[in-house]
Amino acid sequence: GQNIDQPTEMTATEGAIVQINCTYQTSGFNGLFWYQQHAGEAPTFLSYNVLDGLEEKGRFSSFLSRSKGYSYLLLKELQMKDSASYLCAVVTGGFKTIFGAGTRLFVKA
Amino acid sequence: GAGVSQSPSNKVTEKGKDVELRCDPISGHTALYWYRQSLGQGLEFLIYFQGNSAPDKSGLPSDRFSAERTGGSVSTLTIQRTQQEDSAVYLCASSLSQGASYEQYFGPGTRLTVT
Repeated sequence: GQNIDQPTEMTATEGAIVQINCTYQTSGFNGLFWYQQHAGEAPTFLSYNVLDGLEEKGRFSSFLSRSKGYSYLLLKELQMKDSASYLCAVVTGGFKTIFGAGTRLFVKA
Repeated sequence: GAGVSQSPSNKVTEKGKDVELRCDPISGHTALYWYRQSLGQGLEFLIYFQGNSAPDKSGLPSDRFSAERTGGSVSTLTIQRTQQEDSAVYLCASSLSQGASYEQYFGPGTRLTVT
């Protein structure tokens, strides 16, 4: 079956760094997305990884290891506005996108 | 430019009634997706359209659910004989193409409540 695991909740302090992990087991792999979703709003795109390694984009970075079925999203210099859910999503062999349940991040002052 | 739009934004219906949810994707986007999100949960894949290809319906939870996409643009998700467990936010997304690297742009969703 298809399975994507993420921690349910995390709490971090403003200005700090937080790493949100995602492990997956899917039938085929064609890339991994991270989306951000604020409460009551639609998800918005953060990053895409298809090759192993780290992709950096400003305060956000995403890492992928295909052999380990593992990714993480790294958020630096946390701001209060980063409080949101972070969704890990895998594009399977059939180009279907499977989403994890999401990690709710609380940033405290 | 205009993003993905969905209507209605909210729908309250009685158990047993049929409902239709509409999605207008971004112009030029050939791929269109429907997801369902229950309170505090992740996104559950429902159905995926790509151009003129047969849709991937593997995520539809029962035969009460159906969707169509007319003219490669607007899509309608229909739920027949609604049940209380159908209550959720229904999200539509579109992307430029089927290619895996294309990010999905989401609409604001339709919040369906079945009483």
